Amino acid sequence: NAGVIQTPRHKVTGKGQEATLWCEPISGHSAVFWYRQTIVQGLEFLTYFRNQAPIDDSGMPKERFSAQMPNQSHSTLKIQSTQPQDSAVYLCASSLDWGGYAEQFFGPGTRLTVL
Amino acid sequence: SQWGEENLQALSIQEGEDVTMNCSYKTYTTVVQWYRQKSGKGPAQLILIRSNEREKRSGRLRATLDTSSQSSSLSITGTLATDTAVYFCATVENYNQGKLIFGQGTKLSIKP
Repeated sequence: NAGVIQTPRHKVTGKGQEATLWCEPISGHSAVFWYRQTIVQGLEFLTYFRNQAPIDDSGMPKERFSAQMPNQSHSTLKIQSTQPQDSAVYLCASSLDWGGYAEQFFGPGTRLTVL
Repeated sequence: SQWGEENLQALSIQEGEDVTMNCSYKTYTTVVQWYRQKSGKGPAQLILIRSNEREKRSGRLRATLDTSSQSSSLSITGTLATDTAVYFCATVENYNQGKLIFGQGTKLSIKP
């Protein structure tokens, strides 16, 4: 079991460019979560999928962020027109179940730097 | 924010000492999860304590939950250098959904 896989591990973009982050959840897990981590804001929830269906995107900045889960083996987080304030570590997690008692397994994260 | 401002903390202790980290939360929760994050890695769950439990143990770890004061603690006995990490507590808004609300974390440094 390779755990949650996130690619790329590091990404540098120029202001205004697009960034796509990939996540491969643990096989058999039904829920996939995206979080963002910064020094100032800490760990923040962005969005989550249950059996590939989007359930809660309350943490997503509405205008430039989007997330998809086209199949059970991967999810993507796309940021259009990246801004310096988008610089952060983006973490993907998956869990066997979607309830509050389920353990979430996190990937190593993608460090996004917007110049 | 779901969490009190006092959660942001840094601790530095000698290997072998015991340590307790505290979190307080503002709204009702049915579960508190504790996670540990080592440098360059994602968080990893250490222990989960439910609202009907006052204490939960796992090896050298002990978590407590006081729903009346809306606070939780994580204790580590006999710390090791490998315990150096940032420790987070997290709650859920709805037990049917796994959306985690994380506290600011405690940066724990263990000196060998």
